Amino acid sequence: ETGVTQTPRHLVMGMTNKKSLKCEQHLGHNAMYWYKQSAKKPLELMFVYSLEERVENNSVPSRFSPECPNSSHLFLHLHTLQPEDSALYLCASSLHATSGNYNEQFFGPGTRLTVL
Amino acid sequence: GQNIDQPTEMTATEGAIVQINCTYQTSGFNGLFWYQQHAGEAPTFLSYNVLDGLEEKGRFSSFLSRSKGYSYLLLKELQMKDSASYLCAVQGTYKYIFGTGTRLKVLA
Repeated sequence: ETGVTQTPRHLVMGMTNKKSLKCEQHLGHNAMYWYKQSAKKPLELMFVYSLEERVENNSVPSRFSPECPNSSHLFLHLHTLQPEDSALYLCASSLHATSGNYNEQFFGPGTRLTVL
Repeated sequence: GQNIDQPTEMTATEGAIVQINCTYQTSGFNGLFWYQQHAGEAPTFLSYNVLDGLEEKGRFSSFLSRSKGYSYLLLKELQMKDSASYLCAVQGTYKYIFGTGTRLKVLA
């Protein structure tokens, strides 16, 4: 596997379910990100991890819980979601979390989440 | 506040040239990225500007004016496969601020 991978690619869940999204990067990067992409809205940054430490939490509801066990893996635990949480959830990684220099983000293919 | 504006949709003809504009107001600036995103796929990197001026890469060029908070992506010799969304993003300290994306339709 190369680049950034995400599983599952599609997920349908009820409002009372608990599920987890998984992201893995094979690029040797130190920073990982979760984004939410809804139709006709900008990509919304949710969380930033640098060397397994959360450095940014962009006012995300507590029903979304991130976990970064090591610099290659990132999870997003979901519970008691709402229908408006239906969106594409993208994971990304970059060499550093903070940089005054070029710091390209590499994105995974995303998980299409539908909350019924 | 922080804001990035770009047109929602554009249409162009195969073989033509199209310019996608992006204006931004952000509290920090460490560079501006353009990404291409095909429907149902991950965004992929197209270009990066941190200094004023034009960066050319094959059929794609990107321009930046930091004093005006303005960038554009220029696509030449359009091909059908260029039909996609184009995302403008500003790199801050920890954050990347994205625009809504411009959906480009290339017609035969």
